[in-house]
Amino acid sequence: AQSVTQPDIHITVSEGASLELRCNYSYGATPYLFWYVQSPGQGLQLLLKYFSGDTLVQGIKGFEAEFKRSQSSFNLRKPSVHWSDAAEYFCAVGRVMYSGGGADGLTFGKGTHLIIQP
Amino acid sequence: GAVVSQHPSRVICKSGTSVKIECRSLDFQATTMFWYRQFPKQSLMLMATSNEGSKATYEQGVEKDKFLINHASLTLSTLTVTSAHPEDSSFYICSAMTSGQETQYFGPGTRLLVL
Repeated sequence: AQSVTQPDIHITVSEGASLELRCNYSYGATPYLFWYVQSPGQGLQLLLKYFSGDTLVQGIKGFEAEFKRSQSSFNLRKPSVHWSDAAEYFCAVGRVMYSGGGADGLTFGKGTHLIIQP
Repeated sequence: GAVVSQHPSRVICKSGTSVKIECRSLDFQATTMFWYRQFPKQSLMLMATSNEGSKATYEQGVEKDKFLINHASLTLSTLTVTSAHPEDSSFYICSAMTSGQETQYFGPGTRLLVL
């Protein structure tokens, strides 16, 4: 069974500073990897995803993530955070569907709560 | 595009009653919908996978008789929590996906409180 580990429950970063949120996964094959952000009262918003190809993926809001197979990691980065980035961030891995292609239900990490200091 | 709605956004019910939550894909056809449960300050746990016109597939440990899922059309799936109890209080989130695609689009969630 697949699993996702987000080792940092909380991270505090000063506004304008760089950010890296860690994510490690366990999966028997090449996974589909996702980063979602959840703000209070809001639904999950997809930041970026990795399926194959270039291991450095660009997402929305200036976020990027790098897939490192040797480390089973998919860390999320942003060079300069804004106060509006304060939210809960979830890394998720998708199971490959065996028929028809696409991905099955997602396994989520426990999330990292990002706090932005002024 | 790819908007998913849920209704209601929050519901309070008495113990022993049933509650129905709707999940709709507003601008695309969702051949597959998923239902997740999120406990306070915790992660989302996949409950079941629902394919249009088929019976839902439940994850291990999820009671299919308690959490009834119907996916009768390409834009609507419903989750009915039957004979709800306080321990069923949670945040229920649906997502929708088109066949052959890898990205799920999430609804805003429904907060259920069972008294």
